[in-house]
Amino acid sequence: EDQVTQSPEALRLQEGESSSLNCSYTVSGLRGLFWYRQDPGKGPEFLFTLYSAGEEKEKERLKATLTKKESFLHITAPKPEDSATYLCAAYTGGGNKLTFGTGTQLKVEL
Amino acid sequence: DTEVTQTPKHLVMGMTNKKSLKCEQHMGHRAMYWYKQKAKKPPELMFVYSYEKLSINESVPSRFSPECPNSSLLNLHLHALQPEDSALYLCASSRSGQEQETQYFGPGTRLLVL
Repeated sequence: EDQVTQSPEALRLQEGESSSLNCSYTVSGLRGLFWYRQDPGKGPEFLFTLYSAGEEKEKERLKATLTKKESFLHITAPKPEDSATYLCAAYTGGGNKLTFGTGTQLKVEL
Repeated sequence: DTEVTQTPKHLVMGMTNKKSLKCEQHMGHRAMYWYKQKAKKPPELMFVYSYEKLSINESVPSRFSPECPNSSLLNLHLHALQPEDSALYLCASSRSGQEQETQYFGPGTRLLVL
């Protein structure tokens, strides 16, 4: 069965303290691994799409990487405004059904 | 521009009411989606429209009725909802509904059923 799993569930960082969020997947024939950021009560905001192992993408303090089994979202020198829930997702089961992981709730403190 | 708009932002309705949620995109996308999201849970797919035709219904109760009047608009008609239907309803769109495509989400409608 196709699955997308994220860890940790919650992460508390001090401002400037770099870390990584993990998204592991068991999806036959991966057709894209997507990262979104979601603020409370808002819709998910698209960050990155990764299609093949070894691919990397960067945006400001965020860098996403992909292997054959997992994806990492690296946050370098985070700021309080990076606090949000980060979701990863992949198309599963054939067809255009996007399945989300349960998310990592990140809080960055001063 | 990757904007998807949703109205209303908030909705409170009784179990006997009929209401509709609206979603609009002007990106020329031909696939549109409805998701339901409960607090501290990930979004769950409800419906997919591709080229104005319903392509996926994730066994959603008939009290939720989707409609796609044209490629830019998506509605979700609500009737006789239950309190457990209270959630954030998200609309999304993608270029043509093929796998590999990025889905862009709207801000959501926060629904409370009393």
